[in-house]
Amino acid sequence: SQKIEQNSEALNIQEGKTATLTCNYTNYSPAYLQWYRQDPGRGPVFLLLIRENEKEKRKERLKVTFDTTLKQSLFHITASQPADSATYLCALGPGDMRFGAGTRLTVKP
Amino acid sequence: DVKVTQSSRYLVKRTGEKVFLECVQDMDHENMFWYRQDPGLGLRLIYFSYDVKMKEKGDIPEGYSVSREKKERFSLILESASTNQTSMYLCASSFILGNNQPQHFGDGTRLSIL
Repeated sequence: SQKIEQNSEALNIQEGKTATLTCNYTNYSPAYLQWYRQDPGRGPVFLLLIRENEKEKRKERLKVTFDTTLKQSLFHITASQPADSATYLCALGPGDMRFGAGTRLTVKP
Repeated sequence: DVKVTQSSRYLVKRTGEKVFLECVQDMDHENMFWYRQDPGLGLRLIYFSYDVKMKEKGDIPEGYSVSREKKERFSLILESASTNQTSMYLCASSFILGNNQPQHFGDGTRLSIL
């Protein structure tokens, strides 16, 4: 069956460091992958999309990579700030997208 | 900005009741989705709709039904609520299915079934 795994439930890092979150999938051939941010009590908010033929995508302090051989996407936040603390979800498409369970990131000052 | 509005933030109902969760979007999106979110399980798709009066089952449709009479409105119905349906329910909308469009979410309804 299709499975999406995000590396850990929680990740704690120090302000200014780079946070790296992992999204692995099995029994799936996604055409694209999306990353979302979810704050407590709120719905997820779209951040970035990367297609299967793209190796890397950047947006300000965010960087996403997509390795279809390893079946993995990495999501990096550089120069992290306490305001980056949230849960980050990956989602695979096309069609009715499937979401991972998310990784809760805490950036400590 | 896209706005997806869910009718209630918190809802408490009793076992056996018929429960309606409403969702409205203001961006003329074709697609609408209902998910439930539980700790450790992530978002699980219950139903989705790609057009008025159209509906498709997601991964966990049992115990739920949906209604889409107008393009902007997508309702989730718990036919006979049970305690295992206590959860956070999230509605989302997007443009054309399969066209890698991002989903826009409401802020969720936290439903408790007693």
